[in-house]
Amino acid sequence: DVKVTQSSRYLVKRTGEKVFLECVQDMDHENMFWYRQDPGLGLRLIYFSYDVKMKEKGDIPEGYSVSREKKERFSLILESASTNQTSMYLCASILSSGYNEQFFGPGTRLTVL
Amino acid sequence: GQQLNQSPQSMFIQEGEDVSMNCTSSSIFNTWLWYKQEPGEGPVLLIALYKAGELTSNGRLTAQFGITRKDSFLNISASIPSDVGIYFCAGLNSGAGSYQLTFGKGTKLSVIP
Repeated sequence: DVKVTQSSRYLVKRTGEKVFLECVQDMDHENMFWYRQDPGLGLRLIYFSYDVKMKEKGDIPEGYSVSREKKERFSLILESASTNQTSMYLCASILSSGYNEQFFGPGTRLTVL
Repeated sequence: GQQLNQSPQSMFIQEGEDVSMNCTSSSIFNTWLWYKQEPGEGPVLLIALYKAGELTSNGRLTAQFGITRKDSFLNISASIPSDVGIYFCAGLNSGAGSYQLTFGKGTKLSVIP
């Protein structure tokens, strides 16, 4: 079974803090994704990566950066957290662009005070 | 960008009833995916559809890829309380070096015992 894990299920941070959200997959997947999920807005793509050290902006990259130093790990970074970044963050991965099914992690619910 | 219209937004049904939800788009997709998300968890893939007209079942779930490639539906037969959750459709276009997945906003299903 594919397993996508996220470092924290719940996080509470203060405005201005630097926040790291970690995602690890154990199936040697090439492509990894970060989404945020908000009521009424559905899932919105922040960034994705199709290989180590490669990254592409999604639909809403502003205020975020990412890091992919190892194939299995994709980190989402909030350089200076703001209250409008309070959300559910979901990581997903797929083997390659020839495989279509994305597998999701359990999510990190981030609250920025 | 591409948009998916998923309906209904929410449903309240009696245990044992059948459920139907659908997604439509103005754009063509080459794959349709259906996910279920339970509270506090990430989406879990239920069914993947790869060919126009394809009808696929997974237990009590049946999904179809519309002939026009612009729509898909999901049916759940004989609903049970554990069917509660949010169901998302997603349309995918992928090819050499490109991968674009668009999510619907979800259908929230409540089952009354």
